[in-house]
Amino acid sequence: DAGVIQSPRHEVTEMGQEVTLRCKPISGHDYLFWYRQTMMRGLELLIYFNNNVPIDDSGMPEDRFSAKMPNASFSTLKIQPSEPRDSAVYFCASRSGTGVWELFFGEGSRLTVL
Amino acid sequence: RKEVEQDPGPFNVPEGATVAFNCTYSNSASQSFFWYRQDCRKEPKLLMSVYSSGNEDGRFTAQLNRASQYISLLIRDSKLSDSATYLCVVRLNDYKLSFGAGTTVTVRA
Repeated sequence: DAGVIQSPRHEVTEMGQEVTLRCKPISGHDYLFWYRQTMMRGLELLIYFNNNVPIDDSGMPEDRFSAKMPNASFSTLKIQPSEPRDSAVYFCASRSGTGVWELFFGEGSRLTVL
Repeated sequence: RKEVEQDPGPFNVPEGATVAFNCTYSNSASQSFFWYRQDCRKEPKLLMSVYSSGNEDGRFTAQLNRASQYISLLIRDSKLSDSATYLCVVRLNDYKLSFGAGTTVTVRA
């Protein structure tokens, strides 16, 4: 079975540019999460969706960040304009609404903003 | 105060050794507990859940002490493949997991 799929795996961009990260969750999973990981702050929850609806975006650092989930199989995280401090690994994760409480992570998108 | 705190290590141990480490959590209302494993430049993956009575999964043993609000992980008979960062994870409510910064374990031949 395919796991959570993220793209791009690596992105290098210049300050001020728009960045769009993409995620395809595991089919049938009701919850989708966006996390950011840095050495300084570890893994931080940015936003999560339940049945495509954003439930809690309190972790989104500022208005430059936005996330959408137009359907059950696709989500985007957008940063506009990007800044060097946004450099991090961004993980998308999904989980089923039933059974064991387990998050399945994608391989991550490593973002470098110059 | 961080919600989940871990000793970052690194713990450098020889193959076959036993290594153990803890984490502490601040929210006494935390609902459930996990250890995730993260290999270098990879995504986190669930290693095991932690139950109140303690539980084992092969060479791994997890313990929970709710009174003192700490969780432990013990690895017996360490293998080279156990080298990774181990993330202590606490579920705060129906959706939110709080991750510790991780404990790095390096097993040497």
